[in-house]
Amino acid sequence: EAQVTQNPRYLITVTGKKLTVTCSQNMNHEYMSWYRQDPGLGLRQIYYSMNVEVTDKGDVPEGYKVSRKEKRNFPLILESPSPNQTSLYFCASSLWGQGRRGYTFGSGTRLTVV
Amino acid sequence: GENVEQHPSTLSVQEGDSAVIKCTYSDSASNYFPWYKQELGKRPQLIIDIRSNVGEKKDQRIAVTLNKTAKHFSLHITETQPEDSAVYFCAAQKTGNQFYFGTGTSLTVIP
Repeated sequence: EAQVTQNPRYLITVTGKKLTVTCSQNMNHEYMSWYRQDPGLGLRQIYYSMNVEVTDKGDVPEGYKVSRKEKRNFPLILESPSPNQTSLYFCASSLWGQGRRGYTFGSGTRLTVV
Repeated sequence: GENVEQHPSTLSVQEGDSAVIKCTYSDSASNYFPWYKQELGKRPQLIIDIRSNVGEKKDQRIAVTLNKTAKHFSLHITETQPEDSAVYFCAAQKTGNQFYFGTGTSLTVIP
């Protein structure tokens, strides 16, 4: 089944404790991206990657890191989480170029930083 | 960069009525416009999309129209049902660039 797999689904952590949210897709998509979703603010892009070893900042990159060492994986790293990073996070992937059909989203990760 | 505006932010309709959600975009080079539906507690899912070489596209009860001159596109849902209640997002993209999302419309269908 074609899908984007995110883990964990729920995470409660303390301020300053490094964490990683994993994202993996099995569709051979070139493009992958991370979004956070907060009430009233819609989907805001954190980072995106157009292919292996190619990453770029989105609209709200502060406090986050990403890597794209393999085409299928795009982990999101919070080196020192803070309470304002409490949010619902989505990983998404898509084809690139003329054949693109929009995103396939992961199931989401609800992160709470206390 | 691109700027996508979406209206209204909330919409309530009676079951069986039609619902229309509108988005405007700023970059005339944008050429792909998907719509997503997000049910409560779930991930956004692509429901319909349109490319700039087409003016309208239909899929059963949903349709999308695109006016390139005015730089706006709309989602139309006919014969609404309670299961259509969700948040709907529009997006715009140009080839080789990222997606830009609207801020979402919360649709409630009243039985």
